[in-house]
Amino acid sequence: KNQVEQSPQSLIILEGKNCTLQCNYTVSPFSNLRWYKQDTGRGPVSLTIMTFSENTKSNGRYTATLDADTKQSSLHITASQLSDSASYICVVSALGNNMRFGAGTRLTVKP
Amino acid sequence: DTGVSQDPRHKITKRGQNVTFRCDPISEHNRLYWYRQTLGQGPEFLTYFQNEAQLEKSRLLSDRFSAERPKGSFSTLEIQRTEQGDSAMYLCAVGGHLNYEQYFGPGTRLTVT
Repeated sequence: KNQVEQSPQSLIILEGKNCTLQCNYTVSPFSNLRWYKQDTGRGPVSLTIMTFSENTKSNGRYTATLDADTKQSSLHITASQLSDSASYICVVSALGNNMRFGAGTRLTVKP
Repeated sequence: DTGVSQDPRHKITKRGQNVTFRCDPISEHNRLYWYRQTLGQGPEFLTYFQNEAQLEKSRLLSDRFSAERPKGSFSTLEIQRTEQGDSAMYLCAVGGHLNYEQYFGPGTRLTVT
């Protein structure tokens, strides 16, 4: 079982709408959690990094939240744009260990 | 532009051939990672370097795979006797240690026919 589970697997929304992507993890001991955006055929690009003491972080229309007690994170996208169509990957690092990647949520924004 | 280039961007090869990919970070980073990504999945860790030293290798990295970072800057990943199951996107990344940013290259798409 993957130590980082993302849901939904895929999501279709209309342009201008908001959406929330979920990430649950079992990685321990926790170091940090990252959200990446990956356009088709490109490498992932970092959106946010959160450590244990941070429970929210924003990057423009992207807002990530972290509940280290329940080991859950979410990525909220506000006022979606067509260019938001991409895969969004949650990555969790354990102390002294390498990163564990989720399978990603494939978001499609339609006009 | 993340400051990490990979070459080639696409490679089509016949089963049994050897292939080599290169990763060039623009600026100095102690850590350099290689990942493999198949369609619909997140990247899977293959190996990483701390400067010239290869510190960890995944069990995914069979004997047919070898990676080097001879001068602590660019890195190469070689796959010998390619198999169809090697078809994937191979991603290079730098940074990412502790809470530092990690920067990915655009990847090399390998297709083994």
